[in-house]
Formats: sequence, C-alpha cells, structure tokens
Amino acid sequence: DAGVTQSPTHLIKTRGQHVTLRCSPISGHKSVSWYQQVLGQGPQFIFQYYEKEERGRGNFPDRFSARQFPNYSSELNVNALLLGDSALYLCASSSPNRGWNTEAFFGQGTRLTVV
Amino acid sequence: ILNVEQSPQSLHVQEGDSTNFTCSFPSSNFYALHWYRWETAKSPKALFVMTLNGDEKKKGRISATLNTKEGYSYLYIKGSQPEDSATYLCAFMRATNKLIFGTGTLLAVQP
Repeated sequence: DAGVTQSPTHLIKTRGQHVTLRCSPISGHKSVSWYQQVLGQGPQFIFQYYEKEERGRGNFPDRFSARQFPNYSSELNVNALLLGDSALYLCASSSPNRGWNTEAFFGQGTRLTVV
Repeated sequence: ILNVEQSPQSLHVQEGDSTNFTCSFPSSNFYALHWYRWETAKSPKALFVMTLNGDEKKKGRISATLNTKEGYSYLYIKGSQPEDSATYLCAFMRATNKLIFGTGTLLAVQP
C-alpha cells in the first residue's frame, strides 16, 4: 500500500508568487491535515479537511487556503509568497472511523524555498 | 496559547545507554498525546497514541508513560542503538483534533 504522497518534493519560488502543493492520502483515509515546519520548530497546524469540508484552521493568514477533492486528495495554496513562508510543508492523513485519537500518517513533505 | 515543551533539546549517548525524554503539555481539555519518530530525510512515524491517565505503552525497547493530571509524558529507550538516532516529537491533541507539536528532542546514538 502506498503511503501519503506529496508533490513536488522541492520547490523554489520568488516573493509575491503563488504556489500549490499537493497531497494524496493513504487509500481509505478521509481526513487530511497540513502542517508547516520551520527549522528549529515543531510542525505547526495549518488546516484539517474531512470529507471535503474544513474542520480546523490554524493561526495562518488568509494567503493560505486549501481544499479537498472527492477522491480525498488535497491541495494547499499560498498566495503572495513571503520569505518567511520558506519551510517544509507536511501533509498527514488519518482514518477517523476508529475515532479522532488515531495516529496520523505523514508524507515526506514539500520543501518550499522563497527567494 | 497552547505550549508543548520537550526536553532535552538534544541528546548524545553511547550505544547501549538507556535514555528518556520529557513532554509537557496543558492538562486541561486533554484528548490524546502522540509520540512520533522522525528520521532524517524520512516522514514522521507514529510510535504511540495515548489517551488515558496512567497509560503505559511499549514497542520493543521503547516505552512511554502518560500523566494527564499534571500534563507530562515520558518516552524511554532501553539500550539505545545507532538506528534509534532521530528526532522524537510529541504532539498534544484537544477535541479540536489538530496536533500541537513540541520542538522535538534530537537523539544521536554513537556506535
């Protein structure tokens, strides 16, 4: 079984540009969450989607948006990129059918560099 | 503001040493506490999900305990091996279902 896959693995963008990051969850997982990890810090929660609906949003500006598709894959969009958006973006999927306290399965992340 | 604190920040031990890390979290509105292991160039992998006060979980040489009343969890590694070298992250979950991570403990095990 394939794990959580994210694309692209690395990305370099210029300030002011827009970026779209993609995530495919484990087959059967209907919940997808996005996290931002800046060097020296733990991952910070950005969004959670379940059954195509937003269930939670972290403390990030409106430049960050996301959506989930009927096949449960997800996109994270960031507009008007700033240098401070440079980070590793992690996607995690889970299967809340057995309760919300089940483990999250993470992808390897997308390394975004804004120059 | 919810803070999850982990200590120490980093740890260098010799192969065969036993070690332990601490995770402190808010004791109110507790839902679950997760431990993840994150090896370089790989994705974080779940070690334990703990929900009940007094929970103790074990996987091979690694075990964890949970105290929700005082807001802490310990992770123990018995007889560390070089392949245990990784960053160990704990994450606190409230009913909002989002994971709030600590900054992690970086473990380096020297052969």
